[in-house]
Amino acid sequence: DAKTTQPPSMDCAEGRAANLPCNHSTISGNEYVYWYRQIHSQGPQYIIHGLKNNETNEMASLIITEDRKSSTLILPHATLRDTAVYYCIVRSGGSQGNLIFGKGTKLSVKP
Amino acid sequence: EAGVTQFPSHSVIEKGQTVTLRCDPISGHDNLYWYRRVMGKEIKFLLHFVKESKQDESGMPNNRFLAERTGGTYSTLKVQPAELEDSGVYFCASSPSRRTQYFGPGTRLTVL
Repeated sequence: DAKTTQPPSMDCAEGRAANLPCNHSTISGNEYVYWYRQIHSQGPQYIIHGLKNNETNEMASLIITEDRKSSTLILPHATLRDTAVYYCIVRSGGSQGNLIFGKGTKLSVKP
Repeated sequence: EAGVTQFPSHSVIEKGQTVTLRCDPISGHDNLYWYRRVMGKEIKFLLHFVKESKQDESGMPNNRFLAERTGGTYSTLKVQPAELEDSGVYFCASSPSRRTQYFGPGTRLTVL
């Protein structure tokens, strides 16, 4: 699975959009981009995933560049409860295997 | 739909003792995974079951760790004997297919 690079930390004002970037320049054609987050010491929480097209669900939007070498997770109206570590993970579409967690981005939402 | 559950939520044991962690996956999920995070480190994969069979146990740190999945339902992870470096949070995840894994709340293990 391809390696990802994320900034170690970001701040966001409450109510504003949080845009979390991820670089995955070595991604291959059948690899998906997944986003998870871990709030404090809870279990990682699935947010969203995508292959080529932009995706949106009730939690977030995922924007993937045309060359697929980077992506951005967007939380449209961040709340204090969105403070967490966000992980961008690239994984083969045919894989049943494990997720490889990096250090992620620590997002702090401030009032 | 009930999520992944883990028991106990916390366990404090002394070095040399045995501890057994339990994970109940989401009903119908054939894939079950164990991960752990030790102090200051990233979340690391331990092993993966497909139904009752071990698909991948490449992340198991040593032979003091034994995982089972009875009848393809719940799974247990036994640490015997526990060492200080085993302290951390153990997560279980389940998945119905090849994609999204859903995680439990974790078991915090402290070895004194």
